[in-house]
Amino acid sequence: GENVEQHPSTLSVQEGDSAVIKCTYSDSASNYFPWYKQELGKRPQLIIDIRSNVGEKKDQRIAVTLNKTAKHFSLHITETQPEDSAVYFCAARSVKAAGNKLTFGGGTRVLVKP
Amino acid sequence: DTGVSQDPRHKITKRGQNVTFRCDPISEHNRLYWYRQTLGQGPEFLTYFQNEAQLEKSRLLSDRFSAERPKGSFSTLEIQRTEQGDSAMYLCASSLKNIQYFGAGTRLSVL
Repeated sequence: GENVEQHPSTLSVQEGDSAVIKCTYSDSASNYFPWYKQELGKRPQLIIDIRSNVGEKKDQRIAVTLNKTAKHFSLHITETQPEDSAVYFCAARSVKAAGNKLTFGGGTRVLVKP
Repeated sequence: DTGVSQDPRHKITKRGQNVTFRCDPISEHNRLYWYRQTLGQGPEFLTYFQNEAQLEKSRLLSDRFSAERPKGSFSTLEIQRTEQGDSAMYLCASSLKNIQYFGAGTRLSVL
């Protein structure tokens, strides 16, 4: 089955700096890669996603890149703000997975220091 | 709030007791998922429903676990003879197409 590795597990950045989180996946049949943000005690919320036919996608201060050959994808947050502090999860979905089942990485705890 | 709702938010039980959680998906979402999340980890898939049919179950779902979605709307997850290792956050998600929307979860503590 699919395996998703995520690095780093914790990331501390100064407000205004950029943050980068990297994930690798194992199943070459994966074609959909969402990123979720989870604040303490709250539900995971989708912040951006990318499909395998696209190499990069941007939404204001966040962007995701995908390298299908290397089977890795990354989340980039620019001009970080204190409200960006949260745990971020990457995930992958394989076309072989029933019903769009997601396989998640282990998460990255991001702390933005003011 | 028209999002995915889960009840209860917290459950404390003694080892050996049975517990049941409920998930109400977003209206008209035909797909419903259960995940388990332990501290410091990402959600792990447990099971998936399309309408009322349970189409996939993870190996994580031992025979003490059972899930239902009787009318294709809300779902229940029951854990029988709870063990301390069952302590976790149980998340429900629903989708119509690709995007999965999560509930806030039920945090289970087994003493």
